[in-house]
Amino acid sequence: GAVVSQHPSWVICKSGTSVKIECRSLDFQATTMFWYRQFPKQSLMLMATSNEGSKATYEQGVEKDKFLINHASLTLSTLTVTSAHPEDSSFYICSVTPDSGVTDTQYFGPGTRLTVL
Amino acid sequence: QKEVEQNSGPLSVPEGAIASLNCTYSDRVSQSFFWYRQYSGKSPELIMSIYSNGDKEDGRFTAQLNKASQYVSLLIRDSQPSDSATYLCAVNRRGADGLTFGKGTHLIIQP
Repeated sequence: GAVVSQHPSWVICKSGTSVKIECRSLDFQATTMFWYRQFPKQSLMLMATSNEGSKATYEQGVEKDKFLINHASLTLSTLTVTSAHPEDSSFYICSVTPDSGVTDTQYFGPGTRLTVL
Repeated sequence: QKEVEQNSGPLSVPEGAIASLNCTYSDRVSQSFFWYRQYSGKSPELIMSIYSNGDKEDGRFTAQLNKASQYVSLLIRDSQPSDSATYLCAVNRRGADGLTFGKGTHLIIQP
């Protein structure tokens, strides 16, 4: 399967600050990447679809001005949580569907655990 | 609204037995179906994907799909303690879509 990295793996920040999370596809080019969020003891919820060269598509209820997504290249997407608050504390996970894949399987990064104090 | 339903468990199975995990989905136009395994504090890892009605086997794992009943299942044969994890069922309409996940079934394999 595709190797996907995320950085940082965990971050603690103060309320009101911004945090940037990187998602990299190491083996494949990916026009499309996805960002999910998982709160404790809950399942993954899709936040947005990141498309290289165009604006991200956000799911209903996700504030696009708060969660800024930049798909800078075919191997890198970034999620910036702006003016973070304690309720944004969560496990943020990206996934990649390789452009060269014969199926639409999504491969997940290791996740970034965000704690906002 | 797209929904994926799973029994949250915990499902306790003796080592060496068959574990059976079930999932139903509401979106009739779903085309792709996935089973992921998630250990506590980790991200999901893909176990199997299935796209056509019937069974698909990969090692100790067998996925079953019945689109008419909107039902997907995962069988784990010869269950091992290392199989203890939360199993997530996920579906989407097409490859360009994000996945809709169920809440997961917590599986415990008893030595």
